[in-house]
Amino acid sequence: DGGITQSPKYLFRKEGQNVTLSCEQNLNHDAMYWYRQDPGQGLRLIYYSQIVNDFQKGDIAEGYSVSREKKESFPLTVTSAQKNPTAFYLCASSITLAGSPYNEQFFGPGTRLTVL
Amino acid sequence: GQSLEQPSEVTAVEGAIVQINCTYQTSGFYGLSWYQQHDGGAPTFLSYNALDGLEETGRFSSFLSRSDSYGYLLLQELQMKDSASYFCAVSWMDSSYKLIFGSGTRLLVRP
Repeated sequence: DGGITQSPKYLFRKEGQNVTLSCEQNLNHDAMYWYRQDPGQGLRLIYYSQIVNDFQKGDIAEGYSVSREKKESFPLTVTSAQKNPTAFYLCASSITLAGSPYNEQFFGPGTRLTVL
Repeated sequence: GQSLEQPSEVTAVEGAIVQINCTYQTSGFYGLSWYQQHDGGAPTFLSYNALDGLEETGRFSSFLSRSDSYGYLLLQELQMKDSASYFCAVSWMDSSYKLIFGSGTRLLVRP
């Protein structure tokens, strides 16, 4: 079955530690995205990537880093510089069709990060 | 800047019809989309309006009026499983395929 996987579902870390969240897709999508969701809030874009070896900052990139070495994978590192890292993190992907202004985004199940 | 406003919560009765509004203060976007998210789950795509007017998909319909900077999601024949959060989002008019999301409307369907 095609889809997006994120692991782990729940993650606990001590304050000051970097942590890397995994995101893998087998949908053959070019574009991938990371969002952060706080309780009762919408989704805020952290980073996005339209192609391998290229990525762009979203609205709240400070304290986060990403890499895109493979089409299928887009890991997110939450660094110790992120002041309030406890949140629900969602990874998404979409195809990118030339000439098509919109592509539906498919989301993974999310990782709930708690920093103690 | 861009902002999308939605009511924070809506309550309706099973079998009824409910409308969730989305007003925006942005320009230069391709279209308005809607996503559903159950508690603790992943958002899933519901509908997309590229043009003004009504788009119907089963029990769900979505409407866009660019001149009024307004859109809505209409849910008919409400079922208990429709209790979820609903987000409107605009797809930005550049080559990035980014989505800007509203803060979401929590729908509670009562028996």
